[in-house]
Amino acid sequence: QVTLRESGPALVKPTQTLTLTCTFSGFSLSTSGMCVSWIRQPPGKALEWLALIDWDDDKYYSTSLKTRLTISKDTSKNQVVLTMTNMDPVDTATYYCARIHRADPRDGYILDYWGQGTLVTVSS
Amino acid sequence: DIQMTQSPSSLSASVGDRVTITCQASQDISNYLNWYQQKPGKAPKLLIYDASNLETGVPSRFSGSGSGTDFTFTISSLQPEDIATYYCQQYDNLPPRLTFGGGTKVEIK
Repeated sequence: QVTLRESGPALVKPTQTLTLTCTFSGFSLSTSGMCVSWIRQPPGKALEWLALIDWDDDKYYSTSLKTRLTISKDTSKNQVVLTMTNMDPVDTATYYCARIHRADPRDGYILDYWGQGTLVTVSS
Repeated sequence: DIQMTQSPSSLSASVGDRVTITCQASQDISNYLNWYQQKPGKAPKLLIYDASNLETGVPSRFSGSGSGTDFTFTISSLQPEDIATYYCQQYDNLPPRLTFGGGTKVEIK
């Protein structure tokens, strides 16, 4: 079955760089149409899409955060890594990774499996 | 970027009631609209994709409709286990971008 799990530091200091890893199983990111996306959710607030990487190593970012984000994949390890630079207390949130499977190029960007999320607190 | 306006932000209804949530896009998004359920402390769960398609295994009391800029999510008969926050999510294809609505918290009266 498909599973995803986020890992990374629970606490980072302001101005530091955050590195999060999404380790997944049950699918391969080398399969045509497969994508992994990152989404975050500040405490008590709405979901916010951050970034997406697809099987062809194409990368897409939130317009508002693209200067701070980098997404990459290691297909052999079944991992996707997200880095976010210059962390600020407003970046305190639960960070989720999720799968998108576009079996057909006409298919949409649908987050069908999610990890449990990892809470990252930004504080000095 | 496309903006998604979801309403209401919260609602309280009785068990068995029909519950309706709306999502409005700032421009035409065809049927590129998904709905998720998020229970407290849990990850979101996909319920409806492409505006009206029920995800496998999701109870039939959940439904979605709409196209263009106006979309509706309905719970035909609210159950205690439906207490959650519901989010709409739109996507652009070229380039891929995803946007969530602000969420609707559903409570039992």
